[in-house]
Amino acid sequence: GAVVSQHPSWVICKSGTSVKIECRSLDFQATTMFWYRQFPKQSLMLMATSNEGSKATYEQGVEKDKFLINHASLTLSTLTVTSAHPEDSSFYICSAKPTRSGNEQFFGPGTRLTVL
Amino acid sequence: GNSVTQMEGPVTLSEEAFLTINCTYTATGYPSLFWYVQYPGEGLQLLLKATKADDKGSNKGFEATYRKETTSFHLEKGSVQVSDSAVYFCALSGGNTGFQKLVFGTGTRLLVSP
Repeated sequence: GAVVSQHPSWVICKSGTSVKIECRSLDFQATTMFWYRQFPKQSLMLMATSNEGSKATYEQGVEKDKFLINHASLTLSTLTVTSAHPEDSSFYICSAKPTRSGNEQFFGPGTRLTVL
Repeated sequence: GNSVTQMEGPVTLSEEAFLTINCTYTATGYPSLFWYVQYPGEGLQLLLKATKADDKGSNKGFEATYRKETTSFHLEKGSVQVSDSAVYFCALSGGNTGFQKLVFGTGTRLLVSP
């Protein structure tokens, strides 16, 4: 149990376009989901905390207008990278915290974004 | 702020060798400490955790002891298998970042050969 999926697993887009990444908790409800970014050979950096039905909380230095997060249901959060540029190329990972359990987070497999 | 430092990889071992992956942390207060593992093509999975000083987390033959005096949480396994090949992340939560947020180390890739 406690499976989290991400779609797509990889995406290539042109500079200036927007890309949406989905994060779904498949067998549990998640009031809280998290979005991370990982650069090669670096650690996962928390971008934002997404709470169902309310605005996301962004970490310092993360542009909220560039990385739009929507958590419209208890099983789905989306991250939209708007007007993507090559420096946005990265590995994006989401995690979900079950509503009915403690603090453990369950992670998705990640989405590789390449902006040309 | 809180931070985690772990040894760079890759760590290359033969099957049945002893494994140690070092992890040290900087945090205020009393954080919880975690090891996550990421197998190829999969999401991070919680391997083990410890929530207070001197606690030992263990799972699947892996162990790590929360050492507050040395601010360390080294991962060990007595006899690795090929199936243990993966990337291992040390992480913490709590202290001054709150218990929801995880702070990760850079990850250490383990390669085990037959």
